[in-house]
Amino acid sequence: GNSVTQMEGPVTLSEEAFLTINCTYTATGYPSLFWYVQYPGEGLQLLLKATKADDKGSNKGFEATYRKETTSFHLEKGSVQVSDSAVYFCALPERGSNYKLTFGKGTLLTVNP
Amino acid sequence: DGGITQSPKYLFRKEGQNVTLSCEQNLNHDAMYWYRQDPGQGLRLIYYSQIVNDFQKGDIAEGYSVSREKKESFPLTVTSAQKNPTAFYLCASSPTGTSLHEQYFGPGTRLTVT
Repeated sequence: GNSVTQMEGPVTLSEEAFLTINCTYTATGYPSLFWYVQYPGEGLQLLLKATKADDKGSNKGFEATYRKETTSFHLEKGSVQVSDSAVYFCALPERGSNYKLTFGKGTLLTVNP
Repeated sequence: DGGITQSPKYLFRKEGQNVTLSCEQNLNHDAMYWYRQDPGQGLRLIYYSQIVNDFQKGDIAEGYSVSREKKESFPLTVTSAQKNPTAFYLCASSPTGTSLHEQYFGPGTRLTVT
């Protein structure tokens, strides 16, 4: 079935540093890909998505490009802020399901001032 | 404002008691989901419902039950049969159509069973 593998955290950066969180996927076909963010003590929020190969999703300064050649969907931000401290999840639809998502294990990002 | 509400935010129960977690949405979404989140782990699907009066087991349904009598509501009961009920529980919903897999999450309920 479809699956995602995220880089293990935690990731600790200083404010204004460059961020990359790696996500690679295994899938049949070219499903949509998602990044979700979970701030401390809260539920998940959809951060960005890409619906087909070579698409770039972007939101709040974060970007991720759907790369079929490397089966990757890495999350990047050029200059992180303390308020970006959160857990980030990569996700894709479960194979054959119209509803279910498969999530990565999450990567904890801490940004220090 | 449209969204998903879960109540309560924190819940404490004694071992052996059933407990019901509330989830309500006013997004007019057909599909709803319950996930469990444990420290250092990703999300695990407990149950999901595609439409009123219908629901399916997820990956870890044992010890849980749900109902879907109304489109807006999808309560989860954690029964005494659930061996390790202490966890953070997340409810989500999703629309149909082109945004099929975009799930919207509630703020979660942290359940502690002692």
